[in-house]
Amino acid sequence: KAGVTQTPRYLIKTRGQQVTLSCSPISGHRSVSWYQQTPGQGLQFLFEYFSETQRNKGNFPGRFSGRQFSNSRSEMNVSTLELGDSALYLCASSSRLAGADTQYFGPGTRLTVL
Amino acid sequence: KNQVEQSPQSLIILEGKNCTLQCNYTVSPFSNLRWYKQDTGRGPVSLTIMTFSENTKSNGRYTATLDADTKQSSLHITASQLSDSASYICVVDSYNTDKLIFGTGTRLQVFP
Repeated sequence: KAGVTQTPRYLIKTRGQQVTLSCSPISGHRSVSWYQQTPGQGLQFLFEYFSETQRNKGNFPGRFSGRQFSNSRSEMNVSTLELGDSALYLCASSSRLAGADTQYFGPGTRLTVL
Repeated sequence: KNQVEQSPQSLIILEGKNCTLQCNYTVSPFSNLRWYKQDTGRGPVSLTIMTFSENTKSNGRYTATLDADTKQSSLHITASQLSDSASYICVVDSYNTDKLIFGTGTRLQVFP
């Protein structure tokens, strides 16, 4: 069974630009959660989607948005990039809501904002 | 404020030795507590999940304990191996908000 995949793996952008990251969950999983990981802050929850609906949201500004498609694939968008957005962005999938089930993480997308 | 704090921040041990990582949390009430292992450059991998009513759970050489009264959990690694070198992250699921709250992790290095 294929694991969680994320594309691209690495990305370099400049301030003010926008970026879209993609996550394909494990087949059959309906929940996709997104996290930002930085050395100082650890893993910070962004949002969770389940069956195309946002079920939970962390404390991030509106520049961070996401969506989930009918095939459970999810995208995360960050507009007007800032230097502080440089981080590893991880997505995780689970068959039920993340709080009720084991999450499986992808390898992450390393975003660098110059 | 709900928090999950881990100690120590980093740890160095010799191969074959045991070690214990600590997790203190203030999240209340909570539905489960998890330990993840994250190798450098990879996503976290689940080691254990314990509900509030469980005291201990093992996964091979990894044993997690939970004391819901003192709001403490520990992860004990037995007979460490070089492949145990990684970050270990404690995560608490907040029952009220249904959000997973992550600790900042303990960086473990195992040397031969």
